[in-house]
Amino acid sequence: ETGVTQSPTHLIKTRGQQVTLRCSSQSGHNTVSWYQQALGQGPQFIFQYYREEENGRGNFPPRFSGLQFPNYSSELNVNALELDDSALYLCASSLDFPGTDTQYFGPGTRLTVL
Amino acid sequence: DAKTTQPTSMDCAEGRAANLPCNHSTISGNEYVYWYRQIHSQGPQYIIHGLKNNETNEMASLIITEDRKSSTLILPHATLRDTAVYYCIVRVIYGQNFVFGPGTRLSVLP
Repeated sequence: ETGVTQSPTHLIKTRGQQVTLRCSSQSGHNTVSWYQQALGQGPQFIFQYYREEENGRGNFPPRFSGLQFPNYSSELNVNALELDDSALYLCASSLDFPGTDTQYFGPGTRLTVL
Repeated sequence: DAKTTQPTSMDCAEGRAANLPCNHSTISGNEYVYWYRQIHSQGPQYIIHGLKNNETNEMASLIITEDRKSSTLILPHATLRDTAVYYCIVRVIYGQNFVFGPGTRLSVLP
């Protein structure tokens, strides 16, 4: 069974640029959630994708957007990067079914915005 | 906001049991207690979850009080590799995302 994978591991961008982060879900999982974790804080929910559609969103602006593909993999896109976007971005996959939707996290992508 | 309160940090001697408390006094009847841990700069790792009965798996035991207002995660024989931030989260079993608080930083000491 393959776990959740994310790419790239690390990324450095400058303010105003755009970035795309990628996530492959665990085998058999159909739902992907994205979280942002600033240094020293717990992860904060960005949004979730199920059946290629956004299925819930946290308190993040529209410049944070995403996609889910038919194979359940997902992308997180962030436009007009700001310094405060520097964080660890985590992807979690789960099976959308009552009683079994525990989320399993990938290793994360460390984004630094200069 | 997180619905749980946890100590900021704890120490535990290697080989001893680590008991991590969590208060969730406003928990609803349909909310489960989940525990995750995060080793430095890695993704959170699922440990265990439960509703009202005590639960045990290969990693840990979860003890939930009868009134469900608090719980304790027990690592029976802590090792240095158990040093991590431990998050206690309450959540309905289906359709709700995880709200992480700051967690408890557990240091296992040799």
